[in-house]
Amino acid sequence: SSELTQDPAVSVALGQTVRITCQGDSLRNYYASWYQLKPGQAPVLVLYGKNNRPSGIPDRFSGSSSGNTASLTITGAQAEDEADYYCHSRDSSGNRLFGGGTKLTVL
Amino acid sequence: QVQLQQWGAGLLKPSETLSLTCAVYGGSFSGYYWSWIRQPPGKGLEWIGEINYRGSTNYNPSLKSRVTISVGTSKNHFSLSLSSVTAADTAVYYCARSKADSFDPWGQGTLVTASS
Repeated sequence: SSELTQDPAVSVALGQTVRITCQGDSLRNYYASWYQLKPGQAPVLVLYGKNNRPSGIPDRFSGSSSGNTASLTITGAQAEDEADYYCHSRDSSGNRLFGGGTKLTVL
Repeated sequence: QVQLQQWGAGLLKPSETLSLTCAVYGGSFSGYYWSWIRQPPGKGLEWIGEINYRGSTNYNPSLKSRVTISVGTSKNHFSLSLSSVTAADTAVYYCARSKADSFDPWGQGTLVTASS
């Protein structure tokens, strides 16, 4: 499959832990990266590689991967983490592609 | 710190050609690929294609027949051309620096509407 599949929506109570997943065959061979999108703002890279955070991204964001699934975990979710999250990787031909996105609601 | 600034026409008629430009400030243009990505209203992100400073390109197969990405003569600009637009091409278009496994940073985005 050349697709990356994400749950459309996930919710988490303030201060709790939430995992957002991304499934796809290509994830067996390529790392995923993760992007946070808020309305009216440019997308922000929050994780890349094995488990790397760009400068300025809080350490409550972490990543993992197993088989065909990559995960973004937010430990101690904050109100400002409410956003859409997209995974990115490559398909079997090396073309870049995004998952369908997950809308995270912080309750 | 690298910053990307993008601009271009925001309203097109069907069949016209979309044209956007992205300028790279505060960092090296060479040594990276530079991408265009779009997000239609209410939908997800779609990678359009990328170019390096030498002009080598990679395109999304689904858009390849209509897309041209080029490097500006000043070598710190790159541009997107998308021909024969339809309403389905209405989207916020972003430029971004491509790395092997990620995009960072991104431009501010440009809303392009194709409507008669």
